Order: sequence, then C-alpha cells, then structure tokens
Amino acid sequence: EVQLVESGGGLIQPGGSLRLACAASGFTVSSNYMTWVRQAPGKGLEWVSVLHTGDRTYYADSVTGRFTISRDDSMNTLYLQMNSLRAEDTAVYYCATDGPGTSSLRYWGQGTLVTVSS
Amino acid sequence: DIQMTQSPSTLSASVGDRVTITCRASQSISRWLAWYQQKPGKAPNLLIYKASTLESGVPSRFSGSGSGTEFTLTFNSLQPEDFATYYCQQYYTYPYTFGPGTRLEIK
Repeated sequence: EVQLVESGGGLIQPGGSLRLACAASGFTVSSNYMTWVRQAPGKGLEWVSVLHTGDRTYYADSVTGRFTISRDDSMNTLYLQMNSLRAEDTAVYYCATDGPGTSSLRYWGQGTLVTVSS
Repeated sequence: DIQMTQSPSTLSASVGDRVTITCRASQSISRWLAWYQQKPGKAPNLLIYKASTLESGVPSRFSGSGSGTEFTLTFNSLQPEDFATYYCQQYYTYPYTFGPGTRLEIK
C-alpha cells in the first residue's frame, strides 16, 4: 500500500528556512515523479514543485530561487527546502505522486502546516 | 503559464440532482486534465484523469469529458458524500496548474 507522510512543518519567522520531509512507503521515490502542492488557509490548491525520476526539477514561479526539491533514496524520502520564507508561503504542504497509467496525482500525504509569521 | 478557470465557483444542489462543473484552460492541453475532490481538512482525492478516465474505486456517477480548452465534470444523481470542493488540474506542461475550485453545497 502506498503511503506518504509529511513532517517538518511549524511556525517560522519571515526570512527563515524550513525543510519539509515526505516519507514514502509501498514504492520507491526514485521510481516516481514526486510533487509538492500547497494550500493556503481557506484557499485553493497551488502546485509547487516536481522531481522527476531523472532528477529534473520544476518549480512554480512563486517559489523559484527560494525552494529546492530533493530526495534521499536510502531513506525513501522526498524533501522541500524552503528558504527566505514569506507570509504568503503560509499553507498546508502536501506531497503527492503519480501511479501506473497516469502522471496525475494519485497518492497524497495528509499534509503539514507551515506558518510564516513574526 | 497555463491559466485554469472553473465555473461556477459555488454550486447549490440537492441529493439526486444531475450537475455539471466546467473547467477551461487558457490554451490547449489536449486531454491532460485531472479532477480532484477535496473535503474539509483532508487531502485531495483523484477522481478522473486524462479528461475522462475514471480512477479506480470512484463511483460511476462521476464522469468527465472534453479536450483542448474546455472540460466538464458531471455528477449523475448527487449523493450526500459528494458535497465537497472540486478542482481541475492541467498536467500538459509545467508548471502544472489547478483551477480555483468549485464548492458543491447542499441546497
């Protein structure tokens, strides 16, 4: 059974850094496209970043240059390093992945809340 | 970036109704469109991919159609558990973008 469990969220001051983790089970992160999606309180979904199996990465314009997606194959874990955080980065961050037959987001974690505030 | 729009933003309906939500893309995305359902406090759940392919385990009262720039999600005979927010997402080109959502509420 595929499971994704995010961690690392919390309260951080503007300008600070935080690293989110997404521990995967039931599959290997190196064999799937791994994605981060966020949702600000009371708002819609925003696609943030993806890490391809071949290590290619893509980012939303709103986070380019500040966020870095990566993975640790030995830990079977996906990461999102977030630097220079802003109030508008406050959101629940979900990791998600595709599955056989589709590159849409079939499996999702439960999310981790990041609050950027002084 | 490809912009996604949805209409209506809110839809009031009753159990048993047949309703349709529309999603439009700012440029052609072929059939690379997914629909997700989200309930409060929960992660989104994939309903339909490639515009019209029903995800395994999703009830057949849900259906999707469209191609190019216009897509629809149709509910045949709404059930109480269907009242939620629905998002479309294009996965034709990066950055993959979501629509703003349609909240389906009980009339």
